[in-house]
Amino acid sequence: NAGVMQNPRHLVRRRGQEARLRCSPMKGHSHVYWYRQLPEEGLKFMVYLQKENIIDESGMPKERFSAEFPKEGPSILRIQQVVRGDSAAYFCASSANRDAQPQHFGDGTRLSIL
Amino acid sequence: QKEVEQNSGPLSVPEGAIASLNCTYSDRGSQSFFWYRQYSGKSPELIMFIYSNGDKEDGRFTAQLNKASQYVSLLIRDSQPSDSATYLCAVSDKFYFGSGTKLNVKP
Repeated sequence: NAGVMQNPRHLVRRRGQEARLRCSPMKGHSHVYWYRQLPEEGLKFMVYLQKENIIDESGMPKERFSAEFPKEGPSILRIQQVVRGDSAAYFCASSANRDAQPQHFGDGTRLSIL
Repeated sequence: QKEVEQNSGPLSVPEGAIASLNCTYSDRGSQSFFWYRQYSGKSPELIMFIYSNGDKEDGRFTAQLNKASQYVSLLIRDSQPSDSATYLCAVSDKFYFGSGTKLNVKP
């Protein structure tokens, strides 16, 4: 499967725990984007990364959220000390070039906070 | 002003009718435009893109672009209940999406 792979598909955490979401971009893609989507709402841009670089993190909350895309391995979105409001679907997308579109999306990670 | 704006809907049309979805953008320099479809609980998927002014047809879908007026639209002919979804507009050099228009096609 050469598509965008996200795991886990579903993640349950208790308040205060850490959530770690993974995304492997489509083969040949070096640009990764993370989005958050609350029920019945639109996609909210969080962060744009290339290998080893954060290009734009203007949509990331100032605290508790971080992202990385190391030289080897998947991109990671990390949420520390999760709260109920972090419950959402988190989508990762990748593109082949810096034009940002078109993007290919993974199936998303549904994060639930107990 | 948001970079990409869409009417959130919902837009309800009867089966067999034409559904018209509209999107405006703020950056006159944007070159290409994309429509994604997102079914409830699923991830967005690309369905159409357009680079040049005018119409581009693909099956029941037609994308229309007017760069002078800075709008792009998506027409769905012979709408089917299976077209019921949220449609997202995007522009080439922006990773922001429009908020999406929810389409309901009633049998």
